[in-house]
Amino acid sequence: DVKVTQSSRYLVKRTGEKVFLECVQDMDHENMFWYRQDPGLGLRLIYFSYDVKMKEKGDIPEGYSVSREKKERFSLILESASTNQTSMYLCASSIEHGYTFGSGTRLTVV
Amino acid sequence: AQSVTQPDIHITVSEGASLELRCNYSYGATPYLFWYVQSPGQGLQLLLKYFSGDTLVQGIKGFEAEFKRSQSSFNLRKPSVHWSDAAEYFCAVAIGSGNTGKLIFGQGTTLQVKP
Repeated sequence: DVKVTQSSRYLVKRTGEKVFLECVQDMDHENMFWYRQDPGLGLRLIYFSYDVKMKEKGDIPEGYSVSREKKERFSLILESASTNQTSMYLCASSIEHGYTFGSGTRLTVV
Repeated sequence: AQSVTQPDIHITVSEGASLELRCNYSYGATPYLFWYVQSPGQGLQLLLKYFSGDTLVQGIKGFEAEFKRSQSSFNLRKPSVHWSDAAEYFCAVAIGSGNTGKLIFGQGTTLQVKP
């Protein structure tokens, strides 16, 4: 089975900190995604990548950036964390509309 | 713009009763449709998906969904709900081609099951 691993399950950061959320997949998938999940809003797409060093903005990219230097790793970066970025973050990878999700990182910004 | 709407934010049903969760999508091309479930503290689990063919699709845990193109709907059903079905359910549509597709999700429906 494809595994998508998110490095942290829970994370607490201070306002203004630079935050890195890491995601690794083990099945050579071309496509990787970052979503945030908030009650009543479902999952919203932040950024996605179809290949190494390629990235595209999703629906809510403001305040975020991403990095994909290797095919298996897709990092989400909060340049200066703010309290409104407190949320659950989910990473996913896919091939031919087969999507696999990580377990999520619950980020709290204080 | 492409979108997915789940009209019901919260639904409560009695154990043993039937269930239908509604999902409507807006997408110009042939949709690839999904239903996911998320139990408290757990990750997303795929219940079923529709790509083509028979419009009634069977999934895991006794769930099924019916694709109705004329209504742009993909409603999820279960004939008899179990207490363990209490969870949040998400409908999603994949837009774009297989190599460059991405999932767009609805807002989610929280299911509560009464004993």
